[in-house]
Amino acid sequence: AQSVTQLGSHVSVSEGALVLLRCNYSSSVPPYLFWYVQYPNQGLQLLLKYTSAATLVKGINGFEAEFKKSETSFHLTKPSAHMSDAAEYFCAVSVWSGNQFYFGTGTSLTVIP
Amino acid sequence: NAGVTQTPKFQVLKTGQSMTLQCAQDMNHEYMSWYRQDPGMGLRLIHYSVGAGITDQGEVPNGYNVSRSTTEDFPLRLLSAAPSQTSVYFCASSYSGGGNQPQHFGDGTRLSIL
Repeated sequence: AQSVTQLGSHVSVSEGALVLLRCNYSSSVPPYLFWYVQYPNQGLQLLLKYTSAATLVKGINGFEAEFKKSETSFHLTKPSAHMSDAAEYFCAVSVWSGNQFYFGTGTSLTVIP
Repeated sequence: NAGVTQTPKFQVLKTGQSMTLQCAQDMNHEYMSWYRQDPGMGLRLIHYSVGAGITDQGEVPNGYNVSRSTTEDFPLRLLSAAPSQTSVYFCASSYSGGGNQPQHFGDGTRLSIL
């Protein structure tokens, strides 16, 4: 089975500062990894995905994530936070043979002006 | 594109009542799923379907039924509502099963059970 751990349920950064949201996964087979963003009263939107091609994945809105197999991590970063980045972020894992996605508990990002 | 459409957006029920949450997608996606979102618990899979006529249980299926008679629709039925089912419910779809396909989510149904 697969699982995801997101360290830090709440993260606050100043506008213009680096954003780092942590995600560690557990999987006995090569995983597929996703980051989603959720704005208030909306559904989840895909930010980026890792599907075994390049380990550094670039997504929308300036976000990127790096797959590190040795650390079983897939942390999300953005060099400079913008007020519009305030939202909840979810990491998710799946595998090729599976039909189920496993989500982390989410990280709420606050951007301080 | 409408994408994934969920109705209703809000609903209040009394304990013991039944209801159906509707989900429709217009992307010709084979895979559809239902999640519930609770504070501090992320999203948990209730049921999923890999095509018309095929459904399977996820992590938290008790108290819920699904059926998939068409590619487009995947309704979720609460048989006898309980306060523990108060949650936000999301429907999602993807082109196919297989874990490399990202899911497209609806805007959710906010359900309160009194």
